Amino acid sequence: DAGITQSPRHKVTETGTPVTLRCHQTENHRYMYWYRQDPGHGLRLIHYSYGVKDTDKGEVSDGYSVSRSKTEDFLLTLESATSSQTSVYFCAISDPGLAGEGDTQYFGPGTRLTVL
Amino acid sequence: GENVEQHPSTLSVQEGDSAVIKCTYSDSASNYFPWYKQELGKGPQLIIDIRSNVGEKKDQRIAVTLNKTAKHFSLHITETQPEDSAVYFCAASMGSSNTGKLIFGQGTTLQVKP
Repeated sequence: DAGITQSPRHKVTETGTPVTLRCHQTENHRYMYWYRQDPGHGLRLIHYSYGVKDTDKGEVSDGYSVSRSKTEDFLLTLESATSSQTSVYFCAISDPGLAGEGDTQYFGPGTRLTVL
Repeated sequence: GENVEQHPSTLSVQEGDSAVIKCTYSDSASNYFPWYKQELGKGPQLIIDIRSNVGEKKDQRIAVTLNKTAKHFSLHITETQPEDSAVYFCAASMGSSNTGKLIFGQGTTLQVKP
């Protein structure tokens, strides 16, 4: 496995509470991504980062914010969790500067979030 | 917006048979097409990918074909084994691959019956 860890791996929270998920990589890859996975929808991009302090929105960014203060860490925050944000969240990394396989995204093990 | 359609959503085959999963994409600028396998409780893992300058790529029992004119690509698994049972996702790059972003299909659950 690529050196990607996600924490926590499982979380149950209540509607209206803030939640932060962490992705940590040891590969020194420049790009990091947050996806959510829901039945029938595959993987949908929430936010991504193309460098420290450089982030941009994906297709389902409403209700989510991100921060990247170090190359190795990418945080996803739900400011006020809602039941529609119950999902499995995956972090991924890539480095488009790498010759031959720069497009490849490597995924972490996921975080299962339940919002009651 | 850009999208990727994947079919079928479920596929059941007998061990030893072949399995084919098909995807179509809408963004004519896409030039990178990976396939991922996801086992229960794990993150997706890349199994094979293809770039737009080739029409076919093979790795042991797995092959991918690409038809850029028709904007579709397919995953072929031959001599299927029970350990091939998983969810498979296709993806296409958003625009040219140097954007780093991918659009994923909805997934295919493959069951290989012993």
